[in-house]
Amino acid sequence: GAVVSQHPSWVICKSGTSVKIECRSLDFQATTMFWYRQFPKQSLMLMATSNEGSKATYEQGVEKDKFLINHASLTLSTLTVTSAHPEDSSFYICSARSSTGGGYEQYFGPGTRLTVT
Amino acid sequence: AQKVTQAQTEISVVEKEDVTLDCVYETRDTTYYLFWYKQPPSGELVFLIRRNSFDEQNEISGRYSWNFQKSTSSFNFTITASQVVDSAVYFCALRSGNQGGKLIFGQGTELSVKP
Repeated sequence: GAVVSQHPSWVICKSGTSVKIECRSLDFQATTMFWYRQFPKQSLMLMATSNEGSKATYEQGVEKDKFLINHASLTLSTLTVTSAHPEDSSFYICSARSSTGGGYEQYFGPGTRLTVT
Repeated sequence: AQKVTQAQTEISVVEKEDVTLDCVYETRDTTYYLFWYKQPPSGELVFLIRRNSFDEQNEISGRYSWNFQKSTSSFNFTITASQVVDSAVYFCALRSGNQGGKLIFGQGTELSVKP
């Protein structure tokens, strides 16, 4: 099956610093990638949708200047949390949709746990 | 508007019991897709099933079965003879028919299977 990787799997950073999370589709090309955020005991909330080569579309209430998304190729999308604060601590999950086979399937990465101290 | 409701926040059963996780959805689209995912404590989502709106056949996969009823907008998930390894959070999700549609998740049901 299709595999999506995320790096790092966990990261601890100091308040005010920026952290970058990578999402890669390892064995397929993904025209669309999604970034989700999940707080403890809560559901996944879509933050933004990115299409390769174009600007990301952010969900209402998500600060685009704080959560920078770049989808530079068909296999890589990055999420940069700029000037992180403790309230940004969360579990971030990326997902990639294949551009072939009808594009029905959406594959999820293993997630990145961010802790801001 | 699209919405997925999983009314059961937590369910606790004893091993070997059968358990049903409820999922009710709302959409105005005639073409849509329904999903179930499992999220174990590790956090990684595990895909369980996808159903499109034109296929109301129930499905069985081992101990897992799904009951899709458009008349009640429900897509319930049953685990037969539950096992401790089934303990996880289960999410039901909905996506509208066009391929750009967002995947909307329910609130999740935390299943605890005790030995």
